[in-house]
Amino acid sequence: SQTIHQWPATLVQPVGSPLSLECTVEGTSNPNLYWYRQAAGRGLQLLFYSVGIGQISSEVPQNLSASRPQDRQFILSSKKLLLSDSGFYLCAWLPGTSGTDTQYFGPGTRLTVL
Amino acid sequence: AQKVTQAQTEISVVEKEDVTLDCVYETRDTTYYLFWYKQPPSGELVFLIRRNSFDEQNEISGRYSWNFQKSTSSFNFTITASQVVDSAVYFCALSGRDSSYKLIFGSGTRLLVRP
Repeated sequence: SQTIHQWPATLVQPVGSPLSLECTVEGTSNPNLYWYRQAAGRGLQLLFYSVGIGQISSEVPQNLSASRPQDRQFILSSKKLLLSDSGFYLCAWLPGTSGTDTQYFGPGTRLTVL
Repeated sequence: AQKVTQAQTEISVVEKEDVTLDCVYETRDTTYYLFWYKQPPSGELVFLIRRNSFDEQNEISGRYSWNFQKSTSSFNFTITASQVVDSAVYFCALSGRDSSYKLIFGSGTRLLVRP
């Protein structure tokens, strides 16, 4: 069966510090991978998605970046965090081979920037 | 442009009441997919249902049922005999047929079921 992991689960960082959030998927190959952000009390906003290794599409211009160094690994980064980067970050995956269009979500990382 | 509207920000009901969560969508795609996800207090999004645009048949799963109507661009979700464990934020989402399969989410409806 497939599982998705995210770490860390929670993170408190000062403004201006770097960020690295990791997402890994097990039990599947060539998945589509997604990063979403949920600001406090609000809906989910797609930040990045990837359909393959090294292929990153950005949905919202910001000081965040994403990378996919391996097939089942998706990383969200920032060189200098802003207060507005606080939120709940969710990684999701979708099977790369067609048959289902359903995204499944990881447990999330709660980021607080102080 | 694609858009999902969940006009109900918060709903509060007493246990055992039936409750309907509304979802209205906009898309120019002829083929698209609609979803409902549940977000309990833990934060993880739990997949509930997926519907494609060619399947307007309503679906029932236990106490949950979904009513998809293309004529009104709505995909409403009903919980029958609500329980305290149903308390969560519920999101409706839409995806088109481009290769990204990215989801457009509504703003969510917070459901509080009181004992």
